[in-house]
Amino acid sequence: SQQGEEDPQALSIQEGENATMNCSYKTSINNLQWYRQNSGRGLVHLILIRSNEREKHSGRLRVTLDTSKKSSSLLITASRAADTASYFCATDAMDTGRRALTFGSGTRLQVQP
Amino acid sequence: EPEVTQTPSHQVTQMGQEVILRCVPISNHLYFYWYRQILGQKVEFLVSFYNNEISEKSEIFDDQFSVERPDGSNFTLKIRSTKLEDSAMYFCAIIPPAASTDTQYFGPGTRLTVL
Repeated sequence: SQQGEEDPQALSIQEGENATMNCSYKTSINNLQWYRQNSGRGLVHLILIRSNEREKHSGRLRVTLDTSKKSSSLLITASRAADTASYFCATDAMDTGRRALTFGSGTRLQVQP
Repeated sequence: EPEVTQTPSHQVTQMGQEVILRCVPISNHLYFYWYRQILGQKVEFLVSFYNNEISEKSEIFDDQFSVERPDGSNFTLKIRSTKLEDSAMYFCAIIPPAASTDTQYFGPGTRLTVL
């Protein structure tokens, strides 16, 4: 698999339920970021978690990072129809010092009202 | 969140033509990036630009591509001779000055259609 792969590829839930999306990566990283993209639109930054952090919260978002497993998860609690979008994780590689982001394929979240 | 605008929002061009995509950050940023997203595919890194020069580029960023900051504010991506496979969304991203993190903020994108 490639750097920054999310699963599931698609997720459909009812409004009010929690949505969990996972991301795996291969290289050592400085940071991992999660972005949201509505269909055909730009990327909206949601949250950044540093490699020395294990968990971070922002509103209804909770992100975890396990550097030993090279994985991260994004939890959206009490989902709303407006949360319907694609969600991407993006990493920057530590070994090269690059800040360029490598994106995963994304999870398409559908929240049914 | 820093404001980044891109023009045009949609560009249609004939194969072989040159296109220039523009990114207009509102504040005085130092780090700029171009990414592209072919329909239905991943967002891919093209090039990063720091202190008025290219700091890194991907394999995609071949001789057909160039970037510059012609007037100290706009940041442009030029594709010299477009190919059908250049059809994609092109996103500019910035890291704000004096940022405490490496958060990259993206513009709304330019949809390039090559016919």
